Amino acid sequence: EVQLLESGGGLVQPGGSLRLSCAASGFTFSNYAMGWVRQAPGKGLEWLSAISGTGSRTYYADSVRGRFTISRDNSNNTLYLQMNSLRAEDTAVYSCAKVMVRGVINYFDYWGQGTLVTVSS
Amino acid sequence: DIQMTQSPSSVSASVGDRVTITCRASLGINSYLAWYQQKPGKAPNLLIYSASSLQTGVPSRFSGSGSGTDFTLTISSLQPEDFATYYCLQASSFPFTFGPGTKVDIK
Repeated sequence: EVQLLESGGGLVQPGGSLRLSCAASGFTFSNYAMGWVRQAPGKGLEWLSAISGTGSRTYYADSVRGRFTISRDNSNNTLYLQMNSLRAEDTAVYSCAKVMVRGVINYFDYWGQGTLVTVSS
Repeated sequence: DIQMTQSPSSVSASVGDRVTITCRASLGINSYLAWYQQKPGKAPNLLIYSASSLQTGVPSRFSGSGSGTDFTLTISSLQPEDFATYYCLQASSFPFTFGPGTKVDIK
C-alpha cells in the first residue's frame, strides 16, 4: 500500500524558512517522480513543484521559483521541500504526491494528507 | 504558463442527474489532462487521466473527453458520494496547472 506522510509544517514568520519532508513507502521510491501541491484555506489546488526519480530534473511554479527547492533522498525514501523567504500568501496545507507512471512526470495518483504551513508574525 | 479555466464554478444537482463540467486550456495541451475529485479535508482522488482514461477503481459513471483546449468530465448518474469539488490538471508543459475547481453540491 502506497503511503505518503508529510511533516515539518508549522508557524513561521514572514521572511523565514521551513523544510518539509515526505516519507514514502509501499513502492519503489526511486522509480517514480514526485511532487508538491498546496491548498490555501478555502482555496483550490496549486501545483508547486516536481522532481524526477533520480532527482536530476526539477520543475517549479512561477509563484515559488527561486524561493522553494525540491529534493529527494532515494536511500531514505524521502522527499523534501525547502521553503525560503516565506510570505503570508504561502500559508496553506502542503501535500506531497506520487506520479502515476514510472519514468515520466505527469499525473499524481497518490497524495499525502498534508502538513499545514502558517506564515504570520 | 498555461492557464486553466473551469465552468461552472459550482453546480447544484440531484441524485441521478447527469452532470457535465468543462475545462479549457489557454493553449493546446493534446490530451495531457487529468480530473480529480476532492472532498472536504481529504486528499484529491484521481478520476481520469490522459483526458479520457478511467483510473483503476473509479466507477464507470465518470467519463472524460476532449483534446486540444476543451475538455469535459461527465458524471452520468450522480450518486450521494459524488458531492465534492472537481479539479482539472494540465500535464502538457511545466509548470503544470490546476483549474480553479467546480463544486458539485446537493440541490
